[in-house]
Amino acid sequence: QVQLQESGPGLVKPSETLSLTCTVSGGSISNGGYYWSWIRHHPGKGLEWIGYISYSGSAYLNPALRSRVIISVDTSKNQFSLELSSVTAADTAVYYCARVDSSNIGGFDYWGQGSLVTVSS
Amino acid sequence: QSVLTQPPSASGTPGQRVAISCSGSTSNIGSNYVYWYQHLPGTAPKLLIYRNDQRPSGVPDRFSGSKSGTSASLAISGLRSEDEGDYYCAAWDNSLTGLWVFGGGTKLTVL
Repeated sequence: QVQLQESGPGLVKPSETLSLTCTVSGGSISNGGYYWSWIRHHPGKGLEWIGYISYSGSAYLNPALRSRVIISVDTSKNQFSLELSSVTAADTAVYYCARVDSSNIGGFDYWGQGSLVTVSS
Repeated sequence: QSVLTQPPSASGTPGQRVAISCSGSTSNIGSNYVYWYQHLPGTAPKLLIYRNDQRPSGVPDRFSGSKSGTSASLAISGLRSEDEGDYYCAAWDNSLTGLWVFGGGTKLTVL
């Protein structure tokens, strides 16, 4: 059973960079056919896809966030990471990592529990 | 404002059937598969329906999905108290360089 777990600071100051890591267990991130994704949930609103990355490092990003987002992968640690720069209060959200099974299901088939990040001074 | 439109709430009594709608456009639901997710309090979101109407292994057949044109629907029959939670639809959107879009979520209450 694949499991994903987000980790990182729960509080980030405005204008700084939000950094989160997702650790994958129960399967290798290097297996082809998957994309490793970040999604966020603003309080009281819907879900927003941030972007995803393949094990080889090919990243696909939400155009609305592309200028501020970096997603990277570390296959040796079975982890992938999110960096969101120049954050504001509008970036306060629960951040989820998830796996996309691009070869079969085609959607997000496994999710982490989520990590609340608050942007505040 | 979410790209896909869902009713903010739905409710039913145990044993009833409820349906949750999801409305989009030709660039998302109209030309791509629809996915449904269940998010219960304190848990990770769970895939309920993939490729419009397929259930992953382990999802009860009480849950069913359908799609017509630019709209989709999730039906839950034999409603149970443990079904109470939030439900989201999602689809790939072909606009710009492409992106995943979600509905705003529907909070299901079991009365």
